Amino acid sequence: AQSVTQPDIHITVSEGASLELRCNYSYGATPYLFWYVQSPGQGLQLLLKYFSGDTLVQGIKGFEAEFKRSQSSFNLRKPSVHWSDAAEYFCAVLSGGYNKLIFGAGTRLAVHP
Amino acid sequence: DAGVIQSPRHEVTEMGQEVTLRCKPISGHDYLFWYRQTMMRGLELLIYFNNNVPIDDSGMPEDRFSAKMPNASFSTLKIQPSEPRDSAVYFCASSSGTAQYGYTFGSGTRLTVV
Repeated sequence: AQSVTQPDIHITVSEGASLELRCNYSYGATPYLFWYVQSPGQGLQLLLKYFSGDTLVQGIKGFEAEFKRSQSSFNLRKPSVHWSDAAEYFCAVLSGGYNKLIFGAGTRLAVHP
Repeated sequence: DAGVIQSPRHEVTEMGQEVTLRCKPISGHDYLFWYRQTMMRGLELLIYFNNNVPIDDSGMPEDRFSAKMPNASFSTLKIQPSEPRDSAVYFCASSSGTAQYGYTFGSGTRLTVV
């Protein structure tokens, strides 16, 4: 069955530092992959998605992610983190005939001033 | 567009009571999804609809849970009777076509069963 693993439950970075959040997927074919962000008390917002083509995907809020088939990874990056980026981040893979999103457990990001 | 609208935002109920959560998807979206979020289990897909028809309810935890979509602009998730372990945040999401373009989530309903 398709699944995603986010190895880091919590990450703390300083404001202005670079960020990389890890995501590993399990999928037989070319996966459709997503990153979502959830601010406290809010729903999930789509940051970016990968279907095919260029393996470096640009998203909103200055985020990007790189698909690496050899490593079964889809890591999220940002060159310089802002305090407003503190939130929970979810990686997801499309499953069930391209109708169901399966989410990872999430990574909670804290940003120190 | 106002996005996906869920009501109520918060619900506190006593064990054994019936609870109804409501969702209005984005106009024109033909897929609707109900998710549950807990600390222990993360985000779980409960059920999804396509053109108002339930397609996959394999995530519904037990018979106490039921979901309906009487028309394209409204869906309900009902729990009867409610139990403390049902306490969670319930999200509704909708999408146009298959989910490959991503879902739009509502703000969720935080349910507390005491």
